[in-house]
Amino acid sequence: AQRVTQPEKLLSVFKGAPVELKCNYSYSGSPELFWYVQYSRQRLQLLLRHISRESIKGFTADLNKGETSFHLKKPFAQEEDSAMYYCALGGSARQLTFGSGTQLTVLP
Amino acid sequence: GAGVSQSPSNKVTEKGKDVELRCDPISGHTALYWYRQSLGQGLEFLIYFQGNSAPDKSGLPSDRFSAERTGGSVSTLTIQRTQQEDSAVYLCATRLAGVTGELFFGEGSRLTVL
Repeated sequence: AQRVTQPEKLLSVFKGAPVELKCNYSYSGSPELFWYVQYSRQRLQLLLRHISRESIKGFTADLNKGETSFHLKKPFAQEEDSAMYYCALGGSARQLTFGSGTQLTVLP
Repeated sequence: GAGVSQSPSNKVTEKGKDVELRCDPISGHTALYWYRQSLGQGLEFLIYFQGNSAPDKSGLPSDRFSAERTGGSVSTLTIQRTQQEDSAVYLCATRLAGVTGELFFGEGSRLTVL
């Protein structure tokens, strides 16, 4: 079975501080991991995927198969980063399994 | 249209009534998904369509829920005899065939069952 765990429902940081949103997954095969973001009053959209190994809006995420984690990081948070973030796992099923989400608030 | 379109955007209904939620996918996107977004529960997978067929209905929570897709395009999610626990935002998402992971979401249909 596929499972994604985001342990923090709410996370607040000050502007300019580093931020890390945690994601752990459970999957026996070779996983595909993604981060999706939903800004206020906007639709859910893809932020980044592990296979691309890219930095989007200053965010990066590294897949750690040993720890089964895919944490999202940004060295200097901005107020516009405030949003709901979802970690998602694509495995043998054609559907994505999403975590319960973390609401990030960046304080001025 | 340019994106996934869902209607209605808001629906308030009385317990026991039936509701239909509609999704218009991006043209050419053969894969279509329905998810349910509840407060604190994240996104719950409901059903997946590839073309008109639904190879994965495993997420439908009860037999009151059904969905269909016609012409490989528009999909309708029907909830019969609605219950208060059905209140949630129902999201539709689509993607191109063979491209895993990048789902394009609609704005959702917010269902409130009184």
